[in-house]
Amino acid sequence: ETGVTQTPRHLVMGMTNKKSLKCEQHLGHNAMYWYKQSAKKPLELMFVYSLEERVENNSVPSRFSPECPNSSHLFLHLHTLQPEDSALYLCASSPGTAPSYTQYFGPGTRLTVL
Amino acid sequence: AQSVAQPEDQVNVAEGNPLTVKCTYSVSGNPYLFWYVQYPNRGLQFLLKYITGDNLVKGSYGFEAEFNKSQTSFHLKKPSALVSDSALYFCAVRDGQTGANNLFFGTGTRLTVIP
Repeated sequence: ETGVTQTPRHLVMGMTNKKSLKCEQHLGHNAMYWYKQSAKKPLELMFVYSLEERVENNSVPSRFSPECPNSSHLFLHLHTLQPEDSALYLCASSPGTAPSYTQYFGPGTRLTVL
Repeated sequence: AQSVAQPEDQVNVAEGNPLTVKCTYSVSGNPYLFWYVQYPNRGLQFLLKYITGDNLVKGSYGFEAEFNKSQTSFHLKKPSALVSDSALYFCAVRDGQTGANNLFFGTGTRLTVIP
């Protein structure tokens, strides 16, 4: 898991708070992803960045705002979240966005919205 | 439309016995298939993938999977289960032709290896 790191590992926030999740990849990859993992549901792809450009935004509410300042770092800015946003947020990276590339995941941030 | 089905939420197997975790998929083009494992409080770890070529794919920790195009299946197998294999296993698929960025995951199968 040292290839993709995520901070913080756990986060508790109120509905009016603003917080950010951070992801860093040390694999020299060009693509980065945010996924949401909720209990009993398949992983949901939220955002995809390729060479720091957003290439996918899967109808995610605007209270989630991604930022990719360079190919090694990815942020997810959170504001005015809802309790149903509580989940494990996973970051992943891959060499590119071609379908044959393997995505490598970080350990995730467990988010609880009160 | 792309989709993945893992028909079993839970699989129990005795230590030393062979294990199988089932996965079926649906894509409109060529399937690129992946297996991941997730241990408690950890992210997903890549086990193996099928892109093209030999239908039997060997991966990490002694796992293998067999691609069966006619049955649209990609079952994960291991000849002899270890207690340390107990974890949550995810099958995932991408469509090689549509160019979509989505890696579609199943809902996961919890494997418990009984000592």
